[in-house]
Amino acid sequence: EPEVTQTPSHQVTQMGQEVILRCVPISNHLYFYWYRQILGQKVEFLVSFYNNEISEKSEIFDDQFSVERPDGSNFTLKIRSTKLEDSAMYFCASSDFGKGAGNTIYFGEGSWLTVV
Amino acid sequence: AQSVTQPDIHITVSEGASLELRCNYSYGATPYLFWYVQSPGQGLQLLLKYFSGDTLVQGIKGFEAEFKRSQSSFNLRKPSVHWSDAAEYFCAVDPRGTGANNLFFGTGTRLTVIP
Repeated sequence: EPEVTQTPSHQVTQMGQEVILRCVPISNHLYFYWYRQILGQKVEFLVSFYNNEISEKSEIFDDQFSVERPDGSNFTLKIRSTKLEDSAMYFCASSDFGKGAGNTIYFGEGSWLTVV
Repeated sequence: AQSVTQPDIHITVSEGASLELRCNYSYGATPYLFWYVQSPGQGLQLLLKYFSGDTLVQGIKGFEAEFKRSQSSFNLRKPSVHWSDAAEYFCAVDPRGTGANNLFFGTGTRLTVIP
């Protein structure tokens, strides 16, 4: 079964450093997302991306964050200058919206970011 | 305010017992509804989903959920729990019911299964 893959699975970074989290969405999906889950809290939406641009973003997704689809397969989340409170599990997801009766968001296994 | 509520933070059941996890939402239109499961250190796996039609939906691993419009609920059930079902369960809502938009998650219910 096709799946969303994410790298790295775990990254430790120093406060103020830039981090790039990478994702390969399911190949024929057109909508891509990043969510995050701070330890012990609910999963929160960050941003959605369609047709090479951001379609929606939450209040969490401030100027420190950016997303990019640098090629035909990867989808990245960049945190420009990490803060302690950015420590979380970051989930990439993609949706089969428009492919029929699916309309389901599929999640990757997550990238655990620890900022020290 | 629009929200997804999972009133039970933690539930403990005996293996073989039945299970019901509650989920209520407060969105105006009929949203798309989902249940995801997260095992420790793992990602979010889709258990089942409701878009329209039959209000009782079947999912993987023997789970089912029933959409009740009058109660704005989408409770997850399983007739006989297995030890491997121990995990965190999240109800999620796509409030605009398009599949293209972001999901709103409940706070999750942690399931413990005792022998």
